[in-house]
Amino acid sequence: DAGITQSPRYKITETGRQVTLMCHQTWSHSYMFWYRQDLGHGLRLIYYSAAADITDKGEVPDGYVVSRSKTENFPLTLESATRSQTSVYFCASSGGEQYFGPGTRLTVT
Amino acid sequence: GQNIDQPTEMTATEGAIVQINCTYQTSGFNGLFWYQQHAGEAPTFLSYNVLDGLEEKGRFSSFLSRSKGYSYLLLKELQMKDSASYLCAVREGGYQKVTFGTGTKLQVIP
Repeated sequence: DAGITQSPRYKITETGRQVTLMCHQTWSHSYMFWYRQDLGHGLRLIYYSAAADITDKGEVPDGYVVSRSKTENFPLTLESATRSQTSVYFCASSGGEQYFGPGTRLTVT
Repeated sequence: GQNIDQPTEMTATEGAIVQINCTYQTSGFNGLFWYQQHAGEAPTFLSYNVLDGLEEKGRFSSFLSRSKGYSYLLLKELQMKDSASYLCAVREGGYQKVTFGTGTKLQVIP
């Protein structure tokens, strides 16, 4: 099915662990984005990518790493998770307007 | 950078009309989007404005005034399912990335 998917949908991890959130889109959109959404802050851009092998920081990149070896995939890695990274993470792709994945609810204990 | 302001919450009655305002400040405006987000779900695209004026799409309309840095989303014939957060987002410059406002939570009551 065409669209944008994220995995896992829910994740509980411990402080200090490395976590990777996956994002896959089937539209061949050039642009992909990672946001986090927290109460009172709305959607904040973590990283974005204009094409394979081209990534750039957003508003809140600290503690996160991204890669984009293939157009359709855009994984987000938390190198050493902290409690402040507990959030809902949305991946999006864009061919004009943005289309969002279903989100990953991450809890860091 | 950008600054986007929306009311935090609004309440409206089923069958009525509601207008959700958004003001923004940006140095290189290149389009304004409205998204709907139901609780626990992902945002979904509603409308896009890049030129001044009104864009109508069924029960939803969106208006833009670039000179005033102002937009509104108009929802007509409100239904209970319209209870959601409505996010205003502004694109700046030649890039695809946008900045989102914190959203307006709309509650539709019977």
